[in-house]
Amino acid sequence: GAVVSQHPSRVICKSGTSVKIECRSLDFQATTMFWYRQFPKKSLMLMATSNEGSKATYEQGVEKDKFLINHASLTLSTLTVTSAHPEDSSFYICSASPSGRDTQYFGPGTRLTVL
Amino acid sequence: GQQLNQSPQSMFIQEGEDVSMNCTSSSIFNTWLWYKQEPGEGPVLLIALYKAGELTSNGRLTAQFGITRKDSFLNISASIPSDVGIYFCAGRKGPADNYGQNFVFGPGTRLSVLP
Repeated sequence: GAVVSQHPSRVICKSGTSVKIECRSLDFQATTMFWYRQFPKKSLMLMATSNEGSKATYEQGVEKDKFLINHASLTLSTLTVTSAHPEDSSFYICSASPSGRDTQYFGPGTRLTVL
Repeated sequence: GQQLNQSPQSMFIQEGEDVSMNCTSSSIFNTWLWYKQEPGEGPVLLIALYKAGELTSNGRLTAQFGITRKDSFLNISASIPSDVGIYFCAGRKGPADNYGQNFVFGPGTRLSVLP
């Protein structure tokens, strides 16, 4: 149990385009989902906390207009990187917290490369 | 802000050896989580700890929630090549009902196992 999927696993796009990444909890409902960014050989950097049915809470320094988050259901959250630039290239990982449980389960990550 | 320290930063061990790593903070935490991350993958939850003094095992892994609630350790017994990866601790402090949110991640311990 507690499986989280992400799609796509890898994406290459041109500068200026937008990319959508999906995060799904497959066998549990997640009131809260999280989006992280990870640079090579670094720890996880929380970008935003996404609560179902409400606006996401962004961490300081994360542009909410650039990283659009939608959490439309208890099993799906999406991150859209708008007008992507090469500096947005990174490993993006989502996690989900099962309702009533004090833990997080991570997706497999999405490798974004912006040319 | 909240910070977690992990030590050692990296370690090289021989296959079959036992491994010990820890996570410390100047703050008190309510929950400790240990994750393992392999290259190109999302972190996988290994052990969750919810009570001070709690000692929990998962196969060859054992983790403990420190009595002071400011630290946690993870031990791996009889290491094998597939134990290679980065081990992250994560701690949460805050309201008891703030489940799953506001976790802080350590910088990770990079483990290499030599055959």
